[in-house]
Amino acid sequence: RKEVEQDPGPFNVPEGATVAFNCTYSNSASQSFFWYRQDCRKEPKLLMSVYSSGNEDGRFTAQLNRASQYISLLIRDSKLSDSATYLCVPYSGNTPLVFGKGTRLSVIA
Amino acid sequence: DTAVSQTPKYLVTQMGNDKSIKCEQNLGHDTMYWYKQDSKKFLKIMFSYNNKELIINETVPNRFSPKSPDKAHLNLHINSLELGDSAVYFCASSQLGAGWNGDYGYTFGSGTRLTVV
Repeated sequence: RKEVEQDPGPFNVPEGATVAFNCTYSNSASQSFFWYRQDCRKEPKLLMSVYSSGNEDGRFTAQLNRASQYISLLIRDSKLSDSATYLCVPYSGNTPLVFGKGTRLSVIA
Repeated sequence: DTAVSQTPKYLVTQMGNDKSIKCEQNLGHDTMYWYKQDSKKFLKIMFSYNNKELIINETVPNRFSPKSPDKAHLNLHINSLELGDSAVYFCASSQLGAGWNGDYGYTFGSGTRLTVV
């Protein structure tokens, strides 16, 4: 089983829409999680850290369900600049972060 | 003031050549990494160094040799370049581990796009 599973998309949504990405993880020892965004031909950038039940930062909300080993990212009022690939990354202690392919989002005018 | 800087940004070279990529971080982090992102878009860990010591060496051909002269620098030297080495190589640093308060992830450099022809 893969360490992280995400719907690769692409998700094509109009500006102003609300969109949610789901992520399931296999390692129940994962202590916390990161959501990264990666723009085309750029480096991944940290969007949000999650280590309790969830986190909220402006239009972005992450929710963690440890019992189901599931984490989600909700983006409200989508902007064109939100178009990117979103990567869910579990953290399990001193091992390097393992990145999946992520979910591609395209926000359309 | 760039936190993690890599040079060069682009590198085009012929098969069989030897090349180096340099990485420096000014964040005071203890751990640095090299990741490879190929055309399939997976970011794969290659090496991890903690305070100049190699702690992770994934299944990478021994043509790839990392060197860390101090904890702020992690360079990657590649011998006898092959077509399959074409990819984007990202350097990253972190302060994860003991005492981590949950706020920090990895900070990545902007990547080195290597094309072997």
